[in-house]
Amino acid sequence: SYELTQPPSVSVSPGQTARITCSGDALPKQYAYWYQQKPGQAPVLVIYKDSERPSGIPERFSGSSSGTTVTLTISGVQAEDEADYYCQSADSSATYRVFGGGTKLTVV
Amino acid sequence: VQLVESGGGLVQPGGSLRLSCEASGFTFSSYWMSWVRQAPGKGLEWVANIKEDGSEKYCVDSVKGRFTISRDNAKNSLYLQMNTLRAEDTAVYYCARDMAFDYWGQGTLVTVSS
Repeated sequence: SYELTQPPSVSVSPGQTARITCSGDALPKQYAYWYQQKPGQAPVLVIYKDSERPSGIPERFSGSSSGTTVTLTISGVQAEDEADYYCQSADSSATYRVFGGGTKLTVV
Repeated sequence: VQLVESGGGLVQPGGSLRLSCEASGFTFSSYWMSWVRQAPGKGLEWVANIKEDGSEKYCVDSVKGRFTISRDNAKNSLYLQMNTLRAEDTAVYYCARDMAFDYWGQGTLVTVSS
């Protein structure tokens, strides 16, 4: 079955830039989406179609794609950005959806 | 846009449960819809999705033959019939608008335990 791979954890200091990667063989063909989830809450979409930002999401959140890897970048990280982040995409046939394992962003 | 799940609860292994998701604030019949679950302390797992008119359905291998997704566009509702439940199905179940998953419900907890 198709898998998306994320690092389990990323740590940054306030004001620095955090980069979270997501790798998958079908990512050159399928869009990626990114979600932020805080404890006890439903996920929130922060990036769609690789690099588009929904309304209401701060400009410090951005996305990029290169080959089989997509990257979520958070510039000028704030304490409130501490959360779990998940990438999501589809397999090469666009039939099945899959989530990455999630990355815990710690702001130290 | 609002998605409201219901139907979760405690069920014994081998039992059944039917989850519902009532949608409002958008044209429900124009969107694929999905169920996503999250086991306690674990990540998100896509479970199943269904086309706008219900003519196509797909699900993750671990629930094939046990879970059935369906919808009633007249009632703006999505369903997940879960049979032969196992302990590993214990999770919060969310409905979400496919494929961007741009809107999520608050989730409903399913606990499979004797």
